[in-house]
Amino acid sequence: AQSVTQLGSHVSVSEGALVLLRCNYSSSVPPYLFWYVQYPNQGLQLLLKYTSAATLVKGINGFEAEFKKSETSFHLTKPSAHMSDAAEYFCAVITNTDKLIFGTGTRLQVFP
Amino acid sequence: ETGVTQTPRHLVMGMTNKKSLKCEQHLGHNAMYWYKQSAKKPLELMFVYNFKEQTENNSVPSRFSPECPNSSHLFLHLHTLQPEDSALYLCASSHDPPALGLRSYEQYFGPGTRLTVT
Repeated sequence: AQSVTQLGSHVSVSEGALVLLRCNYSSSVPPYLFWYVQYPNQGLQLLLKYTSAATLVKGINGFEAEFKKSETSFHLTKPSAHMSDAAEYFCAVITNTDKLIFGTGTRLQVFP
Repeated sequence: ETGVTQTPRHLVMGMTNKKSLKCEQHLGHNAMYWYKQSAKKPLELMFVYNFKEQTENNSVPSRFSPECPNSSHLFLHLHTLQPEDSALYLCASSHDPPALGLRSYEQYFGPGTRLTVT
């Protein structure tokens, strides 16, 4: 069965610092992986997705993620955090029955 | 209106009340979903509709009753809820994956209804 694990329920960074949010997946088939962001009082918005093309995926708002099969990881990064990046971030994988399975989320705080 | 809209945004109801949540999508999708988001728990898929037909019921208690009159509208009827049902209820829509032969489809989410059961 497919699943994702997000390490760290909370991450705090200073404005301008590197953002690294971790996601590891488990899948018996080639995975399709996603990162979603949820701003306060809003629904989830797709940041980026991996669909077995390029292993480095660029998304919106300067975020990117790298698929590493050897590490079963799909970590989300941004070189320089902005105050507006404060939100909750969810990693997700599509199962072989077309269900979208989410991780427990990582809340990102950005300090001035 | 664009995207996926949900009404009401906030709802407080007693355990004996009956209420309904509404979701509408303006994206031309034919698959719609209800999710429950509780604090410190992963999003839980509740129901899936493809072309107005329910294709998934994830062991949801019968006090939650979905209705999908057409591919643009989705309702969640609520009755005799419990305090533990308090959560953010999210609606989402997507293209129908099997029809497109894609497993990389995107789901578009509404802003959610914050439900409090007293």
